[in-house]
Amino acid sequence: DTGVSQDPRHKITKRGQNVTFRCDPISEHNRLYWYRQTLGQGPEFLTYFQNEAQLEKSRLLSDRFSAERPKGSFSTLEIQRTEQGDSAMYLCASSLFGSELAGTDTQYFGPGTRLTVL
Amino acid sequence: LAKTTQPISMDSYEGQEVNITCSHNNIATNDYITWYQQFPSQGPRFIIQGYKTKVTNEVASLFIPADRKSSTLSLPRVSLSDTAVYYCLVGPPSNDYKLSFGAGTTVTVRA
Repeated sequence: DTGVSQDPRHKITKRGQNVTFRCDPISEHNRLYWYRQTLGQGPEFLTYFQNEAQLEKSRLLSDRFSAERPKGSFSTLEIQRTEQGDSAMYLCASSLFGSELAGTDTQYFGPGTRLTVL
Repeated sequence: LAKTTQPISMDSYEGQEVNITCSHNNIATNDYITWYQQFPSQGPRFIIQGYKTKVTNEVASLFIPADRKSSTLSLPRVSLSDTAVYYCLVGPPSNDYKLSFGAGTTVTVRA
């Protein structure tokens, strides 16, 4: 399977602990995105990278959140001092910027990491 | 970004055609209309995208009237496996890095 993969699929942690998630995009995709989804809602944009550069961060991404994509391939999302409000599904997506002759680039999503903060 | 409105839920039976209409009254000239599908415990999956008139692929059809203030996703002959949440997104290519999902339409297909 050459789709977007995320690890772990599930994470349970205690409030105050740090957690890190990993995303492996489709190879050769130059853009990588992170979204957060809570129950009953659609995904919300958090941040995105083009190659290794982080180009935009949502206001949802507090100082406790940090994302990296060190070599323009995989990415990590770290949450420090987790809070119960951080419980959500964290989705990663990737795309090949500029691949469409018209319209918007298609984002390919991974299965997500479900975080539960106790 | 153009605001979208779509029904919260729809029920259907296997073999029927399902049509989901999305309203986007303030759509901009350079906005495209995109639909994603999401199964439980999975990430969203691109279904179809269009700008005007009709677009068809192996999964669905997208009907866009001339004024582009609404669009209809048509799923032909649904099966139980089409039970999912369907999201209508509207936005320009310049903003396509930041998909804006609403709550979507939960489609339930029954036997």
